[in-house]
Amino acid sequence: QKEVEQNSGPLSVPEGAIASLNCTYSDRGSQSFFWYRQYSGKSPELIMFIYSNGDKEDGRFTAQLNKASQYVSLLIRDSQPSDSATYLCAVHPRDSSYKLIFGSGTRLLVRP
Amino acid sequence: GAGVSQTPSNKVTEKGKYVELRCDPISGHTALYWYRQSLGQGPEFLIYFQGTGAADDSGLPNDRFFAVRPEGSVSTLKIQRTERGDSAVYLCASSLTVGSAETQYFGPGTRLLVL
Repeated sequence: QKEVEQNSGPLSVPEGAIASLNCTYSDRGSQSFFWYRQYSGKSPELIMFIYSNGDKEDGRFTAQLNKASQYVSLLIRDSQPSDSATYLCAVHPRDSSYKLIFGSGTRLLVRP
Repeated sequence: GAGVSQTPSNKVTEKGKYVELRCDPISGHTALYWYRQSLGQGPEFLIYFQGTGAADDSGLPNDRFFAVRPEGSVSTLKIQRTERGDSAVYLCASSLTVGSAETQYFGPGTRLLVL
């Protein structure tokens, strides 16, 4: 079992829709959870992080964390074609506040 | 301000050769990380520096890989006797400090191809 799992996609949504990206993790002691966006051929850039159960909103993005079920999700409202990218979920494992463990990413395609 | 920079952006080498990849972190960032990303995968942790010392090199795949950060700023990842399996994008990241909510800023990466 991988430490961080994501559906590879592609997830295809029409412009203006809500895109829902999911991630599960195996280490119940994981402390912090991050969503990075990576455009093709580019480096990852941080969108949001979350470390408390519940929702955290930032503009069109909402991160949701459920530690009991060991999943974290990212909702993108009013999806735009410019949101088309690979979204990487990453966690700090319980024994490290610096090492990031990444999932393989979910490719999102927003259709105009 | 300037972000993390990496040179070269692309490197093509032959199997068995030695390569050096350079990372220049954001000014003032004390923590520096190297990751490796293969096609279709997420970045994989290699090594973490706090200041000049390698605080955690547990992700280095074998002893052909070595990294230094002699003055606590620029870092060099060194790969000896390269193998085709070393082909990947090598990403460097830096953060102001270390902590569970600290943001790691990634550089553009060096795309290494071993023929």
